Amino acid sequence: DQQVKQNSPSLSVQEGRISILNCDYTNSMFDYFLWYKKYPAEGPTFLISISSIKDKNEDGRFTVFLNKSAKHLSLHIVPSQPGDSAVYFCAASANYGQNFVFGPGTRLSVLP
Amino acid sequence: NAGVMQNPRHLVRRRGQEARLRCSPMKGHSHVYWYRQLPEEGLKFMVYLQKENIIDESGMPKERFSAEFPKEGPSILRIQQVVRGDSAAYFCASSRGQGPQSSYNEQFFGPGTRLTVL
Repeated sequence: DQQVKQNSPSLSVQEGRISILNCDYTNSMFDYFLWYKKYPAEGPTFLISISSIKDKNEDGRFTVFLNKSAKHLSLHIVPSQPGDSAVYFCAASANYGQNFVFGPGTRLSVLP
Repeated sequence: NAGVMQNPRHLVRRRGQEARLRCSPMKGHSHVYWYRQLPEEGLKFMVYLQKENIIDESGMPKERFSAEFPKEGPSILRIQQVVRGDSAAYFCASSRGQGPQSSYNEQFFGPGTRLTVL
């Protein structure tokens, strides 16, 4: 039973356009969410986080939106760059805990 | 400012042997986490440790797997009597601690150890 779902295994976007990566969760106790980016043969790199007291957090080209009622969050990358091509994982925890549950990832390809 | 260090990067073992994976957290970080990534899957939490304490091992298989984070030295993930199904990438992450501030909760990952069991 996957508590964190990323239903699109892959996504292709043209350079300069917006990339939208989606994540759904089932556990209503989750209150803290992270997005990670992962290149092949490397560890995941932290991108951006959001807590349940917010519905939006922005950092440069990256914005994360949280819809608690829908148990849905999304990561927007604008404008997309070829270097953004990677696998993106969303992760969630409850009670600001350290036991993060990761989604299966979405592979983003940004085409030049 | 070194990041999270893991070694070895690649480890090959035959069935029945032992695998030891090491993780040195970032400077100033006292919390360590181990994750496993099977092919074509996401990261699965295994265990969360602080110095000399296991805080949460709910993701650890009940047999053959153990983890420690001694007072001195790196954290060790130990897999005894490895089987082919243990072949995976094992990632270690560290954080400053636990709390509502995002900077405490951010987990920084090492490059991983890719274990291959023949």
